[in-house]
Amino acid sequence: AQSVAQPEDQVNVAEGNPLTVKCTYSVSGNPYLFWYVQYPNRGLQFLLKYITGDNLVKGSYGFEAEFNKSQTSFHLKKPSALVSDSALYFCAVRDDRGSTLGRLYFGRGTQLTVWP
Amino acid sequence: DGGITQSPKYLFRKEGQNVTLSCEQNLNHDAMYWYRQDPGQGLRLIYYSQIVNDFQKGDIAEGYSVSREKKESFPLTVTSAQKNPTAFYLCASSIGGREVRPQHFGDGTRLSIL
Repeated sequence: AQSVAQPEDQVNVAEGNPLTVKCTYSVSGNPYLFWYVQYPNRGLQFLLKYITGDNLVKGSYGFEAEFNKSQTSFHLKKPSALVSDSALYFCAVRDDRGSTLGRLYFGRGTQLTVWP
Repeated sequence: DGGITQSPKYLFRKEGQNVTLSCEQNLNHDAMYWYRQDPGQGLRLIYYSQIVNDFQKGDIAEGYSVSREKKESFPLTVTSAQKNPTAFYLCASSIGGREVRPQHFGDGTRLSIL
């Protein structure tokens, strides 16, 4: 079965410090992975995706994610956090099988707070 | 600009009442999705449609119904059978098929009980 786990409900970092938001996955088949960000009372915004190739994926707003097949992880990272990065972050894995093709399975989300 | 429009932004339901949430997209996407978001539970899939005139149940379809009569539209009805409807509802769309593209989301409808 396809699933995603985000082990931390909350991550707190100081502005200017590097940040990491963790995600591990379980899939049958190829791992197609996504990160989204949600600001209060808004929909989700796409940040980046991994399909194949380079294990370091670069996305929007200076975010990047590292795919690790042996650890089944896809952690979101940013070298220097901004207060404006404070938001709810979701990791998701795409189902690539038959009638459920294309649906996403989301983690529970990680609330990132960046302190000034 | 292309995008997904959800309306209304806020909706209140009385006991025994059915309410319908609107979702319209002008992205020419084949696939559309409805999610329910509750605090601390992430997004749970209610229904999805990969093509016009076809849809499948997601993980929490009980108490909800949908239709997909037009490519652009995927309305969700929250029926009186849904006993705990208070939540934030998100609609999304994607190109569909085997192409791995992100889902695009609307800005949601917040449903509350009167």
